[in-house]
Amino acid sequence: DTEVTQTPKHLVMGMTNKKSLKCEQHMGHRAMYWYKQKAKKPPELMFVYSYEKLSINESVPSRFSPECPNSSLLNLHLHALQPEDSALYLCASSQGGGGEKLFFGSGTQLSVL
Amino acid sequence: GEDVEQSLFLSVREGDSSVINCTYTDSSSTYLYWYKQEPGAGLQLLTYIFSNMDMKQDQRLTVLLNKKDKHLSLRIADTQTGDSAIYFCAEPRRADSWGKLQFGAGTQVVVTP
Repeated sequence: DTEVTQTPKHLVMGMTNKKSLKCEQHMGHRAMYWYKQKAKKPPELMFVYSYEKLSINESVPSRFSPECPNSSLLNLHLHALQPEDSALYLCASSQGGGGEKLFFGSGTQLSVL
Repeated sequence: GEDVEQSLFLSVREGDSSVINCTYTDSSSTYLYWYKQEPGAGLQLLTYIFSNMDMKQDQRLTVLLNKKDKHLSLRIADTQTGDSAIYFCAEPRRADSWGKLQFGAGTQVVVTP
């Protein structure tokens, strides 16, 4: 199994809603990532978890809250988002360590109204 | 400069070869990566090259690395309509051991019949 699975594929939410994005991998990878991608732009790193601990937060606003319940799962909790947060949110995983390959999920396309 | 640089657009006829170029920033990068993103999808790791190699061939894909000029290229032989996508080159960010990648802006490849 070399897949990273993300749900939902599409999400529309209002600015007062609370929602969660989910990501799962069964490759035994110990590092998991959240990226944000605007149309026609490269992905931008948001968070990195390594061995289930948050190791990197790229100065992301607190309305985005990551959670890593176990080594296979990664969540991104959303609350009070702004329309400019509309984007493709990508989850990725890697074995852990230096210079290894990232495997990406197909993303959640988020629209904030 | 600090950015990984790529040309933004390439148009190629079906059956011809495509060459996508990238200039990276860190001469100490151990691996360099090429990712492919089709419309509405996540990023797919296409191929990668270790920094002690000059060339890597994988079926229709050839990666060339010029370390002196920090130049990376991806050649796709016999380009097919299914190769239409955005291609990102990426290098690990400096002083980082958890797979944080610096992506180029992406090259949109359009294959015409």
